[in-house]
Amino acid sequence: DSGVTQTPKHLITATGQRVTLRCSPRSGDLSVYWYQQSLDQGLQFLIQYYNGEERAKGNILERFSAQQFPDLHSELNLSSLELGDSALYFCASSVGADQETQYFGPGTRLLVL
Amino acid sequence: GENVEQHPSTLSVQEGDSAVIKCTYSDSASNYFPWYKQELGKGPQLIIDIRSNVGEKKDQRIAVTLNKTAKHFSLHITETQPEDSAVYFCAARARIHQKVTFGIGTKLQVIP
Repeated sequence: DSGVTQTPKHLITATGQRVTLRCSPRSGDLSVYWYQQSLDQGLQFLIQYYNGEERAKGNILERFSAQQFPDLHSELNLSSLELGDSALYFCASSVGADQETQYFGPGTRLLVL
Repeated sequence: GENVEQHPSTLSVQEGDSAVIKCTYSDSASNYFPWYKQELGKGPQLIIDIRSNVGEKKDQRIAVTLNKTAKHFSLHITETQPEDSAVYFCAARARIHQKVTFGIGTKLQVIP
């Protein structure tokens, strides 16, 4: 158990809908990262927040947004969902801002029908 | 940006044999190279990492080597066991923008 929690574990929704994924980092970690994992694309970095502020951005679509709250938990919002958004979404956390030693959560499996 | 290539994509070894997974990176400014193990139905777990000022690092049956000149690094698992079966990801972090880029993954199967 990494100490990172993600909810929900599974999510099934329809195209065009909007969903919110939630992540709680390990105690003491200030950075939260979001990744998308699909069969053909591997692990793709989406975005990083550090102590409430956006720190780094990866291949995150404009339809996706994230935020980190004062209690350091984070939410990833996915809107106008398409079939191709079906994937595993992982949250990770680390102590610092430098992307080292990341601890991953168990993931949320999203299926868009 | 950084590009990380990983091979092989699948690897089968007999229990007790060694396994080697290789990665190359494109950004010569990269300075941090972690390796993650992902078991079925779980998130990736950091198993070992190396920084650019070190050529080799070992932790029990796992070792990582880094060749900065050739821009490649490798994971070595000795005396493999069935519980080593998983997908392994290499990654590289570029110093300037400090984003970690992952390889595509290697599915390792250890045959008892």
